[in-house]
Amino acid sequence: NAGVTQTPKFQVLKTGQSMTLQCAQDMNHNSMYWYRQDPGMGLRLIYYSASEGTTDKGEVPNGYNVSRLNKREFSLRLESAAPSQTSVYFCASSEGGGSTDTQYFGPGTRLTVL
Amino acid sequence: AQRVTQPEKLLSVFKGAPVELKCNYSYSGSPELFWYVQYSRQRLQLLLRHISRESIKGFTADLNKGETSFHLKKPFAQEEDSAMYYCALRTGGNQFYFGTGTSLTVIP
Repeated sequence: NAGVTQTPKFQVLKTGQSMTLQCAQDMNHNSMYWYRQDPGMGLRLIYYSASEGTTDKGEVPNGYNVSRLNKREFSLRLESAAPSQTSVYFCASSEGGGSTDTQYFGPGTRLTVL
Repeated sequence: AQRVTQPEKLLSVFKGAPVELKCNYSYSGSPELFWYVQYSRQRLQLLLRHISRESIKGFTADLNKGETSFHLKKPFAQEEDSAMYYCALRTGGNQFYFGTGTSLTVIP
């Protein structure tokens, strides 16, 4: 039981390049989330998927797209990377809904855009 | 608009001393509040949630709607409590807002 896994762990891109961050969970959770973490900013929600087949914008969605490929997988795509997207990206999942819902986080992907 | 404020970036206390990590929130609806913790080289994980009114690892947090606060407290700090702590607010529709975090160091 790996929980939430993310690939890659590290990535360096040049401005304008594209890439997809992958996230998978094996806990049969309904909801999945993408966050970015920047120094002094805490975690900010980029997109989330309350259930398979749905996605919604979070606090900072500009410059990103997501795909909920199936119940297990939720990918985050940067179409044209910018230096402002240099950050640590965390994926999380939860059963979804309810006041006792708990998010489980992945190990993070450290992305640098030059 | 910032919805969760953690005023202390860094907090140091001596082992055995009480510790309080402050969290204030801004939300017009009915808030759901959480504390998450990240120990060194570990993943971010849930510490406690206000709805459960639980004590985890000796930590408690009470939601004060009048002061819009959800401070995390522990009467006697331990070295293993050294970590990064994040307060989080959940609004409707599974939107989560995290504070900027407080790095707690417990001095032996």
